[in-house]
Amino acid sequence: ETGVTQTPRHLVMGMTNKKSLKCEQHLGHNAMYWYKQSAKKPLELMFVYSLEERVENNSVPSRFSPECPNSSHLFLHLHTLQPEDSALYLCASSQDRRGAGETQYFGPGTRLLVL
Amino acid sequence: AQTVTQSQPEMSVQEAETVTLSCTYDTSESDYYLFWYKQPPSRQMILVIRQEAYKQQNATENRFSVNFQKAAKSFSLKISDSQLGDAAMYFCAYSGGNTNAGKSTFGDGTTLTVKP
Repeated sequence: ETGVTQTPRHLVMGMTNKKSLKCEQHLGHNAMYWYKQSAKKPLELMFVYSLEERVENNSVPSRFSPECPNSSHLFLHLHTLQPEDSALYLCASSQDRRGAGETQYFGPGTRLLVL
Repeated sequence: AQTVTQSQPEMSVQEAETVTLSCTYDTSESDYYLFWYKQPPSRQMILVIRQEAYKQQNATENRFSVNFQKAAKSFSLKISDSQLGDAAMYFCAYSGGNTNAGKSTFGDGTTLTVKP
């Protein structure tokens, strides 16, 4: 596997379910990101991790809980979601979050539908 | 806070023709970076081109080039000899050079259709 992978690619869940999204990067990068991409809205940065430390949390509701056990893996734990949370969730990585102007490498995304 | 504006939600171009996608941004920083990313339907977003603000020369990457006007805070993408594979959503993005290093702000995106 190369690049950034995400699983699952599609997810349907009820509002009372608990699920997790997984992201893995095979690029040797130190920084990882979660974005939310909704229809007709700009890409929203949710969380940033640098060397497994959370360095950015953009006022995301607590029903989204990130976890970064090592620099290659990033999870987004979901619980008690709302229908408006339905979106494409993108994971990305870069060499170092503190490095200015770094290119981000994106995964294919997880298409989430909350019923 | 930095903002990125893409005023064209949709654009279309005839195959082999040239199209320009516009992007403007607002920042008080002097050192920053600008990007164009491409997101084809159901495929991963990838970098198209990157520009350092301190460089006056416009970045080019094969058929893709930018027109970077720092004073006007404008960063347009020109696609020459358009191909069917260029059909995608294109995002303009800004990354700060100092206090916001590493954090990117994205525009709303422009959906490009290429007509055969």
